Formats: sequence, structure tokens, C-alpha cells
Amino acid sequence: EVQLVESGGGLVQPGGSLRLSCAASGFTFSSYWMSWVRQAPGKGLEWVANIKQDGSEKYYVDSVKGRFTISRDNAKNSLYLQMNSLRAEDTAVYYCARDYDFWSGSKWENYFDYWGQGTLVTVSS
Amino acid sequence: QPVLTQPPSSSASPGESARLTCTLPSDINVGSYNIYWYQQKPGSPPRYLLYYYSDSDKGQGSGVPSRFSGSKDASANTGILLISGLQSEDEADYYCMIWPSNASRVFGGGTKLTVL
Repeated sequence: EVQLVESGGGLVQPGGSLRLSCAASGFTFSSYWMSWVRQAPGKGLEWVANIKQDGSEKYYVDSVKGRFTISRDNAKNSLYLQMNSLRAEDTAVYYCARDYDFWSGSKWENYFDYWGQGTLVTVSS
Repeated sequence: QPVLTQPPSSSASPGESARLTCTLPSDINVGSYNIYWYQQKPGSPPRYLLYYYSDSDKGQGSGVPSRFSGSKDASANTGILLISGLQSEDEADYYCMIWPSNASRVFGGGTKLTVL
């Protein structure tokens, strides 16, 4: 059974840092792109970042570039999100999600097929 | 980042059909993209439902009933999620998404579906 379990959320002051972790099990972690997706309280979903299987490619939404860093440890089946210079607008539930690649027509495509339960990050003084 | 527009709310009665829309900005052609749909119930993470590109290129998520289907309205530059035979358990938030590239995923703002 595929499981994704996030941890590391909590209350942090503006300008502070936090490191989120996602423990993966039930599948070959090193074979999948992985993503972080967040959801502000009462708001919609926002993709934050993703990382290639071997960590050689990483992408971020513009609003977190230069502040957040995604990483992974395939030996530990773990995904991470280092969040620095946190702002009030970063307050959200952060979900870890598995990227599922598939061939669609004439191109590779991708969707999030498994999600963790999320961890809440609150940025407030 | 493109913006996908979804109506904030929609409602229908049990047994009826609900048609949820996802409108792409005018500079992005809906015909060029897979449209992905997710369902989220309160207190739970999103669940993948399906994707739609064309009638010959579409896919259903694991365990997702065939009552959920996708389509497009090219004239309105819109992706559509159709839920037929509505059930009370279908009451949830629904999000569309496109995947412009590895460097980007874009979600719509979500539609809250109420089953009356």
C-alpha cells in the first residue's frame, strides 16, 4: 500500500525557517518524480515544487523561488522541503504527492496519484 | 502562471447531473492540454479522478466510478467534468489542473459542489 506521511509543520515567526519531511513507503520511491502542493486555509490548491527521481531537476512556483528548497534521499525514501524566509502567505497545509508519469497520445504526461494527509505550517508572530 | 477559472459553487439534486467547468485563459488553447480533475472532501487530501484530452485520449483514476467523465468545449476554451447520477457522497470541492511543463502545474480555484 502506497503511503506518504508528512511531518515537520508547526508555528513559525515571519522570517523563520522550517523543514518539512515526507516519508514514503509501499512503492519504489526512487522511480518517481515527487511534488509538494499546498493549500492555504479555506483556499484552493497550489503546486509548490517538484523534483526528479535522481534529484537532478527541481522546479518551483515563482512565489517560493529563492526561499524554498526541495530535496530527496532515495536511500531513506524521503522527500524534504526546506522553507526559509517564511511569510504569512506561506501559511497552508503542505501535501507531499507522488507524480505519476504516463504516455498520453503522443506525449508524456503526469498527475498526482497519491497524496499524504498534509502538515500544517502557520507563519505568524 | 496561467489562471484556470472555475465557478466557486455549483449545486444539483441527487440523481441529476452536475457540469463543472474549467476555463483556460484566452492565450492558452484547451485543445493543447490534458485537463486533470481532482476531488477533495473536507479534512482529506485531494483524490485524482480523471483526465481528458480527447475522446480517444482520456483516463479514469483507480476506483473512480464511470459516473465521472470529462470533456471539452473548444468554443469556450473550457474543460468540463460531468458527474451523472449525483449521489450525496459526491458533495465535495473539485479542482481542475493542467500540466504546462515539468516546471509547472496549474490548478483552478476550485468549485464547491453541493448535492441538494
